Amino acid sequence: GQQLNQSPQSMFIQEGEDVSMNCTSSSIFNTWLWYKQDPGEGPVLLIALYKAGELTSNGRLTAQFGITRKDSFLNISASIPSDVGIYFCAGTRMDSSYKLIFGSGTRLLVRP
Amino acid sequence: DTEVTQTPKHLVMGMTNKKSLKCEQHMGHRAMYWYKQKAKKPPELMFVYSYEKLSINESVPSRFSPECPNSSLLNLHLHALQPEDSALYLCASSQVGTEYGYTFGSGTRLTVV
Repeated sequence: GQQLNQSPQSMFIQEGEDVSMNCTSSSIFNTWLWYKQDPGEGPVLLIALYKAGELTSNGRLTAQFGITRKDSFLNISASIPSDVGIYFCAGTRMDSSYKLIFGSGTRLLVRP
Repeated sequence: DTEVTQTPKHLVMGMTNKKSLKCEQHMGHRAMYWYKQKAKKPPELMFVYSYEKLSINESVPSRFSPECPNSSLLNLHLHALQPEDSALYLCASSQVGTEYGYTFGSGTRLTVV
């Protein structure tokens, strides 16, 4: 099925560093969501974005809904070891609001 | 209650077995979903139920049979599975329309032997 283009695929960073990841699509999306998944668990919703240009924060996490509605980014500031996991972007298109389309994921590893 | 509960957490079944996965939520969500996730891949949509009626079947083989007995419960009946069906099966729920985001369960790790 269709996937969003998510990058980078993986990141290995030092504790305390900032992290940025993004998703792009050739289609317009009306919702962008960012999830984190730990091994053996289901994805957990971090941030939901509903309007083009919207910038939303959740603690050390900040995400933005791109103006073109075809992209979104997630920033994590001052990373800590518990930030380790797989981060997925996901979105819904106007013509298929029930179907959450996922990016391929960004695997984050944090070196203490 | 803001959780989606899935049972069992792990399941090993033979190719001739019949088993069921269960999912329960008490958030008043009227849309429920089954997703399949292979290792190192994103979740892939299988089925969508809206107001207890099947609204989307993503061309899933008939050996997977979903059921929504009421607004809080979602089952996935499994029969004659293949080893390649081994995966993490995730249930999710949302208010109708995904604009509020899904809440996912922890999943059932299925191994077909």
